Amino acid sequence: AQKITQTQPGMFVQEKEAVTLDCTYDTSDPSYGLFWYKQPSSGEMIFLIYQGSYDQQNATEGRYSLNFQKARKSANLVISASQLGDSAMYFCAMRETPNDMRFGAGTRLTVKP
Amino acid sequence: NAGVTQTPKFQVLKTGQSMTLQCAQDMNHNSMYWYRQDPGMGLRLIYYSASEGTTDKGEVPNGYNVSRLNKREFSLRLESAAPSQTSVYFCASRGTGHNQPQHFGDGTRLSIL
Repeated sequence: AQKITQTQPGMFVQEKEAVTLDCTYDTSDPSYGLFWYKQPSSGEMIFLIYQGSYDQQNATEGRYSLNFQKARKSANLVISASQLGDSAMYFCAMRETPNDMRFGAGTRLTVKP
Repeated sequence: NAGVTQTPKFQVLKTGQSMTLQCAQDMNHNSMYWYRQDPGMGLRLIYYSASEGTTDKGEVPNGYNVSRLNKREFSLRLESAAPSQTSVYFCASRGTGHNQPQHFGDGTRLSIL
């Protein structure tokens, strides 16, 4: 069964606008971590933001924030004030055990000037 | 500031050939990982090593072997390459702590003809 689902294969956003990338997950473990990574066209994987299942507040890192809705099992990434350099693939991932990280299929974000 | 270093960056093999992908990290991390990335499927875990001297299978281990040579180095070997192993391979390492992300190398693009 798919553990991480990213339902948007591709998204477009106008420069300087905000965009939300969706991620839902499936787990029965009360303790887990959620991660978002960015993969630009150059291919490297860049860590963006982390949310722990017991964290009371939504994680934020600069222009990135995570809209964590635990009951709905969703962990959407919000990018504010989009920039052209934000065009990339974005992957949501979940870690239930220390060494088992599962990735979604990714969302390709294109920022339009 | 090397982080995780993978060699080679590109490789073309013929079916049946063998090859070892090298990975080294300089962050003193205990845990290291090998993933493959295929179009539309995100990253899938091949093998991991939670500490020096230990290795374990991930989601897609068939056709691969690994060696944790020391704390810094974790290699992935294809004994008899098959076209289905054409992929981009990523090595990663992680520090201790539930909120620690995985840090990735730049990837190895492997084509098997």
